[in-house]
This record gives sequence, structure tokens and C-alpha cells, in this order.
Amino acid sequence: QSALTQPASVSGSPGQSITISCTGTSSDVGGYNSVSWYQQHPGKAPKLMISDVSNRPSGVSNRFSGSKSGDTASLTISGLQAEDEADYYCSSYTTSSTWVFGGGTKLTVL
Amino acid sequence: QLQLQESGPGLVKPSETLSLTCSVSGGSISSSSYYWGWIRQPPGKGLEWIGNIYYSGSTYYNPSLKSRVTISVDTSKNQFSLTLSSVTAADTAVYYCARRCSSSNCYDYWGQGILVTVSS
Repeated sequence: QSALTQPASVSGSPGQSITISCTGTSSDVGGYNSVSWYQQHPGKAPKLMISDVSNRPSGVSNRFSGSKSGDTASLTISGLQAEDEADYYCSSYTTSSTWVFGGGTKLTVL
Repeated sequence: QLQLQESGPGLVKPSETLSLTCSVSGGSISSSSYYWGWIRQPPGKGLEWIGNIYYSGSTYYNPSLKSRVTISVDTSKNQFSLTLSSVTAADTAVYYCARRCSSSNCYDYWGQGILVTVSS
């Protein structure tokens, strides 16, 4: 299984919105509504931010939202804050009953 | 509050077997609602899914690691374990244990991670 494709980096100014894409295939992203997104600060464990494409777990800011179209999922962060600077990873369930992650995107808040 | 804690050697020699344990507290590993998983992250790189196990012992593995990986569960100790055989420097990584979400394909609780270095 190949890793999902994410941009290596994105950036935005405080208050702006950014979107991170995550492209897979019909065997993973396109085949299931099982895309999740994780935030990882340096030296820390990943934190679940979005499940099932667009569901926000309790405690996650409503500035984070997810969507999907075909084989590409997206994470949008609105009203960027300095604390949002982190690495972001997408993940998808696959037809092989396995999971696959994206390569990760480094978000810089300018 | 559920907590997961990885433990094991931080240094393993090439060609030997890496063995890690994840201790679960604040909840039962025997809950029928959850799978338990291992995910790793080489230094400076992205996440890689290793595999999952259910309390009954059923497992799912990453095809690229399947020939070298075994995940097992010990319900009496509320722990699950990872063994990875014939390790090389490419297996150097932070290894995380995590709980799969109850009704979704995601991971909602993670351990802090443990760095395992493969070196002679």
C-alpha cells in the first residue's frame, strides 16, 4: 500500500484559513468515509482532530473541518492561530482492512 | 481517563528482534468495542501503520511488514505487545501504541511513544 499524498508544507498568517489536501485512491480515501486527520506538535504524540471525513471529536476547536471529494480529502483550518503550527497527517482505512497514512504536512503560521 | 504506555528496550542490534509492550490503564483492553494498534514514525519522517489486534487475538498487519511482525494481547495484564524480527537501521523509529476508535476507523488515544534505535 502506498502512502497518501499530502503537500510537504503550507503556511498562512494568523486569522487566515488554510486547506491541506490528502490524495489517495479508490481503494482507500475514495472507497470509504473513513478519513481521519491528526495534529502532531514536535516531540508529542499525534492528536485526533477529525474522524470519518468530517466529524470533530469532543474538545477539538470548530475552526477545524474536514471534507472529501472523490479520492481527495481535505482539512481546513480557519482563523489560524499560532498554536496551530504543527505537522498534520491524514489517514484512511483501506480495502485490505488496513490503514494508510499520508506523508505529513508542516503548517507554518507566519 | 484512558492511558497507554509503551515500554521496552531503546536499543536493538541489527538482525535481532524488537519487542515492545503497551500497558493500558483507565480502561479494559477486553472491551468488545475496541481494537488496539501500533504505529511508528522514523526520525523526521511520517507515520506508518504497523497493525491492530482485538482482545480475542485477531490481528491485521501492514502487508509490507507482515512477514516480520507479530502483535499479541495479554488480557490478564491489560497489555498488548509488538515483536518485529530481523530488524535493520530502517526500523529505527518512535513506536506508538494507540486505541482504535469504537465506531470509526481512527485512533483516539495514543501512548507517548518510545524511541527504538537499531544499531550495533
